[in-house]
Amino acid sequence: AQSVTQLDSHVSVSEGTPVLLRCNYSSSYSPSLFWYVQHPNKGLQLLLKYTSAATLVKGINGFEAEFKKSETSFHLTKPSAHMSDAAEYFCVVSGGSYIPTFGRGTSLIVHP
Amino acid sequence: ETGVTQSPTHLIKTRGQQVTLRCSSQSGHNTVSWYQQALGQGPQFIFQYYREEENGRGNFPPRFSGLQFPNYSSELNVNALELDDSALYLCASSLGSDRTDTQYFGPGTRLTVL
Repeated sequence: AQSVTQLDSHVSVSEGTPVLLRCNYSSSYSPSLFWYVQHPNKGLQLLLKYTSAATLVKGINGFEAEFKKSETSFHLTKPSAHMSDAAEYFCVVSGGSYIPTFGRGTSLIVHP
Repeated sequence: ETGVTQSPTHLIKTRGQQVTLRCSSQSGHNTVSWYQQALGQGPQFIFQYYREEENGRGNFPPRFSGLQFPNYSSELNVNALELDDSALYLCASSLGSDRTDTQYFGPGTRLTVL
């Protein structure tokens, strides 16, 4: 079985400050983990993906995430938020014979 | 390279009706997955098609059915629509059926059931 929990439904930051979106997962196998972003009225776009290679994964637009097996976490970070980062972010666990499981999403709000 | 496209963009139906949603996969992709995203929720996996065969299904009743065609495009059919079927329906294509493959999403079809 597998599950994913996004610990914050909303995160509010000021432009230029760091971003941290938290994701914990549960899995009975070695999972693949993804972060997707969804801008209003747009499809989901892949930010980054972990598949058991390097534990620190770099993605697009300056985002990165670190896979921590001991903490069963895959938190998404960015050093400096831009206004264009305001969107809904989804953490996804997948792999093996299990279907992809999405978290409920975290809404990132960026203030000028 | 053409991305994933879906049609229609919006649809309004009444309870009990049937609906068909369409998806064209990205060039070179042989796998299509369908998701339902209710308002304020994350997408939920409905099913996946790989080379015209169903290859995994989520917790959805049989009135949700699908097809994949030889060109790898796909349809999602929903019979006997219920009010709770109102949602954004997302299609995603991938190079293969491995659960670790990256999925590329279309913009979705917004279905409203009255």
